[in-house]
Amino acid sequence: DVKVTQSSRYLVKRTGEKVFLECVQDMDHENMFWYRQDPGLGLRLIYFSYDVKMKEKGDIPEGYSVSREKKERFSLILESASTNQTSMYLCASLTGDHTGELFFGEGSRLTVL
Amino acid sequence: AQSVTQLGSHVSVSEGALVLLRCNYSSSVPPYLFWYVQYPNQGLQLLLKYTTGATLVKGINGFEAEFKKSETSFHLTKPSAHMSDAAEYFCAVTLDTGRRALTFGSGTRLQVQP
Repeated sequence: DVKVTQSSRYLVKRTGEKVFLECVQDMDHENMFWYRQDPGLGLRLIYFSYDVKMKEKGDIPEGYSVSREKKERFSLILESASTNQTSMYLCASLTGDHTGELFFGEGSRLTVL
Repeated sequence: AQSVTQLGSHVSVSEGALVLLRCNYSSSVPPYLFWYVQYPNQGLQLLLKYTTGATLVKGINGFEAEFKKSETSFHLTKPSAHMSDAAEYFCAVTLDTGRRALTFGSGTRLQVQP
């Protein structure tokens, strides 16, 4: 089974802190994604990466950056956390069989005080 | 551009009743369509997907969905609800299975009453 692991399930940070959310997948997938999930808004794409050191902005990239130094690892960075970034963050990787299926991690619930 | 609309943010059914969760998409070309389920405090897992071929798609846990191009719909159904079906359900669409991410609807929370 594909496994996507997000290192932190719950985090509490203070406004202005730098936050790292880590995601690792074990299926050698090329494409990885970070989504943000908020009630009533569904999932919104923050950033995605289709190769090592490659990244593209999604629909809501403001206030976020990403890092993909190794194929299996995709990190989301909040340079200076703000209260409006309190949310559930979901990492996903894309199957290589061209069916479009995403495999998700368990999510990281971030609270910014 | 592609988009997905899920009608009804909350749906409540009795145990044993029919489950119907609605999804309409907007796309200029035939899309690939997905339903995902999210149980509390978990990530999303795939229920079923339509790519090509048969328009009636069967998924896990007794769910199925029918792709209707004329209605631009991909509604999710289950003949008999079980308490364990209580979760949030997301419809999603993509035009490019090679790289681009899925576009998700806003979700429908299903409650199952005993």
